[in-house]
This record gives sequence, C-alpha cells and structure tokens, in this order.
Amino acid sequence: GQQLNQSPQSMFIQEGEDVSMNCTSSSIFNTWLWYKQEPGEGPVLLIALYKAGELTSNGRLTAQFGITRKDSFLNISASIPSDVGIYFCAGHSSNTGKLIFGQGTTLQVKP
Amino acid sequence: DAGVTQSPTHLIKTRGQQVTLRCSPKSGHDTVSWYQQALGQGPQFIFQYYEEEERQRGNFPDRFSGHQFPNYSSELNVNALLLGDSALYLCASSLRGGYGYTFGSGTRLTVV
Repeated sequence: GQQLNQSPQSMFIQEGEDVSMNCTSSSIFNTWLWYKQEPGEGPVLLIALYKAGELTSNGRLTAQFGITRKDSFLNISASIPSDVGIYFCAGHSSNTGKLIFGQGTTLQVKP
Repeated sequence: DAGVTQSPTHLIKTRGQQVTLRCSPKSGHDTVSWYQQALGQGPQFIFQYYEEEERQRGNFPDRFSGHQFPNYSSELNVNALLLGDSALYLCASSLRGGYGYTFGSGTRLTVV
C-alpha cells in the first residue's frame, strides 16, 4: 500500500537555526499536507500544497510540493522554543480519499 | 466555532471488552475520518464516513466498526479488544473531498 518515508526521525537544534525535513513516497499524491502535533493534542495543519512544484509559506515555515508529486519538504527558519513538537507530512489521494501520514520528525529546540 | 470534539479523553479497558468512542465534527463539516496513532508513530487511517455510510477503509480488521448519525457525529466501536489496540484514536472532519482535515485532540485508549 501507500507509504511515506519521512526524515530525519528527530532533530535537536539550537534556537535561531534553520530546520529542514522531507517526505518521499513511492506513490503519487494530489495534495501534500504538513501537520504539527504537540503532546496530548491532535495534529494541527500548518501548510497545504495542491500543485506539483508549488512553494508555499506560512510565516517562518516554507513547504514545497515536489515536481514528481512523490515528495515534499518543510523548512522552518530561525527556530524558536515553541517550534518544539512532532511534524508529520501527509499525502492525500483523490482516488482513494485517504490521507496517509509519515512517521513524523521530532523537533527539539535548545534555548 | 467549536472544532472537532472527542469523548472520552481517556479510557482503560480489559482485553476482550468492547469500547465505543465518540466524535462531533467541526461545524459545517459533513465527513468524519478515524485514525489510530500508536505511540511514536504517525496516524493510521481506519475508515471514513460520509452520508452515514462507510466510504473508505484502511487495513483494519472487522473488529473495528463505525457509525455516522444524521447530525454528522460519529462513533468508533472496537470489539474483542487486544493489548495492541492501545493507542490514541483521532477523529478528523472535513467537507467531502476537502483537504486539510481538522483533527480532534483524540481519545487515549489503554487495554490491560
């Protein structure tokens, strides 16, 4: 079945540093989504990407939809302590209607 | 405007028992999807309900069943609980075909 490979699995960075994480798949998706999950909460949508090659920003966050439609990346610039959490990529297929999640990247930021 | 609400927040059950989890979608949403999130993993799709019918299903056994009511709220039922069913169960709502599912905070199920 469809599977997403997300990397890195975890990151421990200094406040102010930039962060980059990515997601790859063997399948094509119509939409890529990036979520953040904090302890005791459900995932919260950060950025949605709808077209191959699309580059979208949300404040200090920037994400791109790969031109092959099989990958996406998320960058966080000038990290701050409240960026701590687990970041998930997710791919949506209009054929199946299913939203498939990656395994997550755990981000820790040292003040 | 209330988001997705789930109940209960925490639950402890014994192996072999049955459990029912509840979800109310975000106002204006008509589609409900259920996910299982094991510790340290990403959410895994269980099934999706729209117009009171199961529309899509992931790789979960028949012990997992659901229901959607006319007011769009939904229930997830799990029979014959196994230790491996211990997880965070997430409900997400959307408009049919819409992207960016809105998630609830989940129900933490522990099977002992």
